[in-house]
Amino acid sequence: NAGVMQNPRHLVRRRGQEARLRCSPMKGHSHVYWYRQLPEEGLKFMVYLQKENIIDESGMPKERFSAEFPKEGPSILRIQQVVRGDSAAYFCASSLGGFIMEDTQYFGPGTRLTVL
Amino acid sequence: AQSVTQLGSHVSVSEGALVLLRCNYSSSVPPYLFWYVQYPNQGLQLLLKYTSAATLVKGINGFEAEFKKSETSFHLTKPSAHMSDAAEYFCAVSALSGGSYIPTFGRGTSLIVHP
Repeated sequence: NAGVMQNPRHLVRRRGQEARLRCSPMKGHSHVYWYRQLPEEGLKFMVYLQKENIIDESGMPKERFSAEFPKEGPSILRIQQVVRGDSAAYFCASSLGGFIMEDTQYFGPGTRLTVL
Repeated sequence: AQSVTQLGSHVSVSEGALVLLRCNYSSSVPPYLFWYVQYPNQGLQLLLKYTSAATLVKGINGFEAEFKKSETSFHLTKPSAHMSDAAEYFCAVSALSGGSYIPTFGRGTSLIVHP
């Protein structure tokens, strides 16, 4: 059973470009979460999605960032008009049962975004 | 509101020595607590979690953690360090807030193991 897959693993963008990060959850998982990790910091929650629905986006910046999890295909985190402060590692996690106390999130290897 | 404090951004031990990584939390409701390990250029892997059952939780790779409500702590320990334990360790707290369990992560502690 393949784990959570993320691609690309490394992404370099110039300021003003768009970045698209993809996440394929573990087989059978329909809950996806995105986190951002800045250097020397822990993970910060961004958004929680189920298939075709955004459940909680309280951690998402109000502008330039969006996320989707379509019925078919991977979840996408999209960052428009990137700035240098967007440089970070972005992690996706998936789970079987959603944001409940007993649920375990399984993390992907992350996408490291560098904005030049 | 909830928060996590990991004391010490770096902990250095000798191979075979006791590992102690400290985590203190703040939560206004009964929390669920987690320890994750992150190896270089990889995602986080769950080591163990506390979900209000036994206060002493055993995890993978010989790690365990004890929930102490009076001290609001959830320190991670391992009796004997291996070279392969060198990694970044994150403590996280998850509590019900607005209908969701949103985890809050600490800044992480880098464990260095010397031969």
